[in-house]
Amino acid sequence: AQSVTQLDSHVSVSEGTPVLLRCNYSSSYSPSLFWYVQHPNKGLQLLLKYTSAATLVKGINGFEAEFKKSETSFHLTKPSAHMSDAAEYFCVVSEPGGSYIPTFGRGTSLIVHP
Amino acid sequence: GAGVSQTPSNKVTEKGKYVELRCDPISGHTALYWYRQSLGQGPEFLIYFQGTGAADDSGLPNDRFFAVRPEGSVSTLKIQRTERGDSAVYLCASSLSLTSGSNNEQFFGPGTRLTVL
Repeated sequence: AQSVTQLDSHVSVSEGTPVLLRCNYSSSYSPSLFWYVQHPNKGLQLLLKYTSAATLVKGINGFEAEFKKSETSFHLTKPSAHMSDAAEYFCVVSEPGGSYIPTFGRGTSLIVHP
Repeated sequence: GAGVSQTPSNKVTEKGKYVELRCDPISGHTALYWYRQSLGQGPEFLIYFQGTGAADDSGLPNDRFFAVRPEGSVSTLKIQRTERGDSAVYLCASSLSLTSGSNNEQFFGPGTRLTVL
């Protein structure tokens, strides 16, 4: 069975400072991992994905994430936060070799202060 | 259209009524998923289709919920005898396939906000 844990329900940063959103996963297979962003009253948008290629994945809007199998982590980072980054972020795991059902984390709300 | 569309965008109904929510996936996408997102929560899986058949409906909460995809494209989520607890945003997503690699990337619709009074 697969699961995903987002370690922080809220993260608050100042504009221009680094962002770290933490995600740990559990999977019996080689997982696919995703980060999605959801702005208020908008649909979910894919930020980036890991599908067993390079462990450091670069996404849109300057975000990146590193797959660390030894730590079962897939944390999302950005060097410098922008006000427009304020949104809800979801970490997602699926198992192409097992259950195809994507499992979402509960979400991390990113707050960016001017 | 270029993306996944869902209708209606908002639906208000009374307890006990029947509702249908529609999803138009991206053309050519064989996999289609339904999720329910309650306030402050992540999307919760309900059911997914591979083509016309429901490949896994283990997420449907009870027998009041049913979904169809008769021609392998448009899908309808049907809720009978609605309850106040059914109020949520219902999300639809589609992907090229269920296999690994880039083909399993999901594209989400904007959702239908269901309110049961």
